[in-house]
Amino acid sequence: SQQGEEDPQALSIQEGENATMNCSYKTSINNLQWYRQNSGRGLVHLILIRSNEREKHSGRLRVTLDTSKKSSSLLITASRAADTASYFCALPPSQGGSEKLVFGKGTKLTVNP
Amino acid sequence: SAVISQKPSRDICQRGTSLTIQCQVDSQVTMMFWYRQQPGQSLTLIATANQGSEATYESGFVIDKFPISRPNLTFSTLTVSNMSPEDSSIYLCSVWEGSRPNQPQHFGDGTRLSIL
Repeated sequence: SQQGEEDPQALSIQEGENATMNCSYKTSINNLQWYRQNSGRGLVHLILIRSNEREKHSGRLRVTLDTSKKSSSLLITASRAADTASYFCALPPSQGGSEKLVFGKGTKLTVNP
Repeated sequence: SAVISQKPSRDICQRGTSLTIQCQVDSQVTMMFWYRQQPGQSLTLIATANQGSEATYESGFVIDKFPISRPNLTFSTLTVSNMSPEDSSIYLCSVWEGSRPNQPQHFGDGTRLSIL
């Protein structure tokens, strides 16, 4: 069944550096979403990218989508300690049910001050 | 975007007991989703709650264990029944933005449940 696979599972960087997380998936999609979860909190939506888009920006976030490789990446530039969180990609399941989202296992990002 | 309030934010319960989690949305929505997030894991969808009909449960989740109510378009409850330590998780509710699929989902802050 469809589920995004994030890579790496964990990432530790210094403040000011860039962080890149990747998400690979198995079957065709019409959109892919990225979410952030701070420790002990709910998820916050970051970016939704549709299958006909290759890149989207939101502030310091940049998301790319390569449908030929079935992969997406999330780049956080000039990271801050407040970016420390888990990041999840989410996509519709492969077997219909577009009303649902399936979440990947996530990348745990630590930004050291 | 929708604002979602969940209660309680956390609880510690004895095994064998049940707990009902409430989810209130500040706008009317057709679907509400309930997820479980076990420690250090990703989110797993438990069920989709539709107003006026029975909830739709995902594989591995049953109504007897996780009964859901959806009395109106802004409110839902999830009950975790006959709890065991394996039920220790964060439970989250969410809705589609604008109540439309393939849009961002908005989440409550979750209910952190610990079973002794």
